[in-house]
Amino acid sequence: EAQVTQNPRYLITVTGKKLTVTCSQNMNHEYMSWYRQDPGLGLRQIYYSMNVEVTDKGDVPEGYKVSRKEKRNFPLILESPSPNQTSLYFCASSSLGGAWGGSYEQYFGPGTRLTVT
Amino acid sequence: AQSVAQPEDQVNVAEGNPLTVKCTYSVSGNPYLFWYVQYPNRGLQFLLKYITGDNLVKGSYGFEAEFNKSQTSFHLKKPSALVSDSALYFCAVSPGRAGGYQKVTFGTGTKLQVIP
Repeated sequence: EAQVTQNPRYLITVTGKKLTVTCSQNMNHEYMSWYRQDPGLGLRQIYYSMNVEVTDKGDVPEGYKVSRKEKRNFPLILESPSPNQTSLYFCASSSLGGAWGGSYEQYFGPGTRLTVT
Repeated sequence: AQSVAQPEDQVNVAEGNPLTVKCTYSVSGNPYLFWYVQYPNRGLQFLLKYITGDNLVKGSYGFEAEFNKSQTSFHLKKPSALVSDSALYFCAVSPGRAGGYQKVTFGTGTKLQVIP
C-alpha cells in the first residue's frame, strides 16, 4: 500500500529536550516536505526536499532541522523544543512534474501531535 | 512571495444545494493549483489539481474547480452538496517551474458545513 508514515503519532515533551519525528514514504517520491498546522493559520511549510541531500527552507524553518540522506526518509529534528512549537505536524511527499519540476499533488502522513511544556 | 487566500473561514450550505469554496492565489509564472480536504482527526487528502490545459478540472467525490488566470482564482465547486462533504478544505499553490524554489503554500482553510 502506498503510504507516508510518521512516528510518533503523539508526543509530549519538555522545553529543551531534543526530539526527532520520523517520516518515511514508499512511493519513490522525489519531493518531501514538513508542515505544521495551527488553528486559523492553515498549513505552513517548514522545510522541503527536492531529492537526496537537497533541502530548502519553507516559510517557518526557525527552530527546526531536517536531513535527507535516503530518498524514502525525511526526519524532522527539534534541537531545543519550545512551547511555541506545540502543533500538529504533517509530513508529505510527491513526485515532481516532468520537465518543469513543479511539485505534484502531495500524499500526507497521519500527523504527529506534539506538545511542548 | 507566493500566497493563497481563502476569504471565508466557514461556508454553510443546505444539503442538495450547490457549493462554492473560494480561493485566490499569487505566484510567479504558471502555477500548479491544488485542493485538499481534511476530515476531523484525519490527515489531508488530495481532491483535484490544475497543472495545465482545460481550465475546468474534475476531481474526487464530484468536486470540480475552475482555474481563472485573469482573476488568479481557483474556486472549488460541487453541484449538489452532501452532509458527508462537511470538512475542512485547503487550497494550495506551487510555482510549477523547473529549478529555483519549490515551496508549496497553503491557504488558511475553509470549514464547509452542509446542513441536512
